[in-house]
Amino acid sequence: SAVISQKPSRDICQRGTSLTIQCQVDSQVTMMFWYRQQPGQSLTLIATANQGSEATYESGFVIDKFPISRPNLTFSTLTVSNMSPEDSSIYLCSVVGQDQKYGYTFGSGTRLTVV
Amino acid sequence: KQEVTQIPAALSVPEGENLVLNCSFTDSAIYNLQWFRQDPGKGLTSLLLIQSSQREQTSGRLNASLDKSSGRSTLYIAASQPGDSATYLCAVRPKYSGGGADGLTFGKGTHLIIQP
Repeated sequence: SAVISQKPSRDICQRGTSLTIQCQVDSQVTMMFWYRQQPGQSLTLIATANQGSEATYESGFVIDKFPISRPNLTFSTLTVSNMSPEDSSIYLCSVVGQDQKYGYTFGSGTRLTVV
Repeated sequence: KQEVTQIPAALSVPEGENLVLNCSFTDSAIYNLQWFRQDPGKGLTSLLLIQSSQREQTSGRLNASLDKSSGRSTLYIAASQPGDSATYLCAVRPKYSGGGADGLTFGKGTHLIIQP
């Protein structure tokens, strides 16, 4: 299965600023996803990162707040914009390969604290 | 809308016990079901993947079953060890109508503590 490198692993940011999270995969993958895990909660899908086109966002998530890029089949970024303390969460990148044999693989996550 | 429920929310047992974690989902139109492990503040580690056509999967001391028609899955952990302490998450992947895959729908997890 694919191996994901997600950066940064953690950060503490001031409110009103933005943070960009990177997700690098060691092989070409069909689909890439971004999830949010708020404290004490399970994972919620933010969006599907589409290669060469705009991301597909889930209900409650908008592009202005969470812009996503996917320039190729192995890399994607998620930006958390104009942060507030409510954005404090773990953000995770996930991929699934073309054969989908191994299911979904997750990165190690980015632990974001907004102060 | 698919909903995934995991029971119990938390479980604390002494080392060596066999235990069962439960997962239920409301929409049986799934492509597969995946069990993950999450250590505190970390990402997810995939444990077992069960395709919709399968009934169970085994890996070492772990066994997962799937009854798609009733919307249920169980994760069986044999001879539990303190290192098994973690949060266990169940997630289902919906059947998709287009050419790609959809994101997973997760349960809230079972927080497991194995006492030495």
